[in-house]
Amino acid sequence: DTVLTQSPALAVSPGERVTISCRASESVSTGMHWYQQKPGQQPKLLIYGASNLESGVPARFSGSGSGTDFTLTIDPVEADDTATYFCQQSWNDPHTFGAGTKLELK
Amino acid sequence: QVTLKESGTGILQPSQALSLTCSFSGFSLSTTGICVSWIRQPSGKGLEWLADICWDDGKGYNPSLKNRLSISKDTSNNQAFLKITSVDTADTATYYCARMGSYGYYYVMDAWGQGASVTVSS
Repeated sequence: DTVLTQSPALAVSPGERVTISCRASESVSTGMHWYQQKPGQQPKLLIYGASNLESGVPARFSGSGSGTDFTLTIDPVEADDTATYFCQQSWNDPHTFGAGTKLELK
Repeated sequence: QVTLKESGTGILQPSQALSLTCSFSGFSLSTTGICVSWIRQPSGKGLEWLADICWDDGKGYNPSLKNRLSISKDTSNNQAFLKITSVDTADTATYYCARMGSYGYYYVMDAWGQGASVTVSS
């Protein structure tokens, strides 16, 4: 299985820029997607295909990368962005998720 | 507007079978490129893809649970189903269904249900 590795947690101040990384154990081309999950809620798609912004998602969110290294950037961070962010790949079978990065605001 | 809602057995005993239903609206499982996936999440932990079923009746299963999973659909009634046999406490989780669409070279889970909580306990 393709293992996706994310840093466990980050803490930033509102207005700052934050980057969340995801590294794949093998190439997933651009088949990498990012989700936001707030406590008690279902995941919400933010970015698909590594860099495409899902409709309705604020332009503060952006994604980049290909192959094995990917980044989700939030700039500027707002208080409402407190959540856990998951990367997920659908290039290789089975589809796999990263363990999630918990973003906290200072 | 795309909506999905999971329903199923809330509390089970070990060795029983879990049956889940995903009822959806705003899309059809007969549309080319559309699938429904099942994903689960133990409390406070990460997400695990379980299975998916597509417009052409193609099915995919997570190899780690493949022998215990069975996915099916009722296209006319806009429902998808997942059955997990021989459950144990490790199957305690929130179970989500999601619409998965073809975006060219890959599939994307672009809409999720609110989740159904399942507890396995003796």
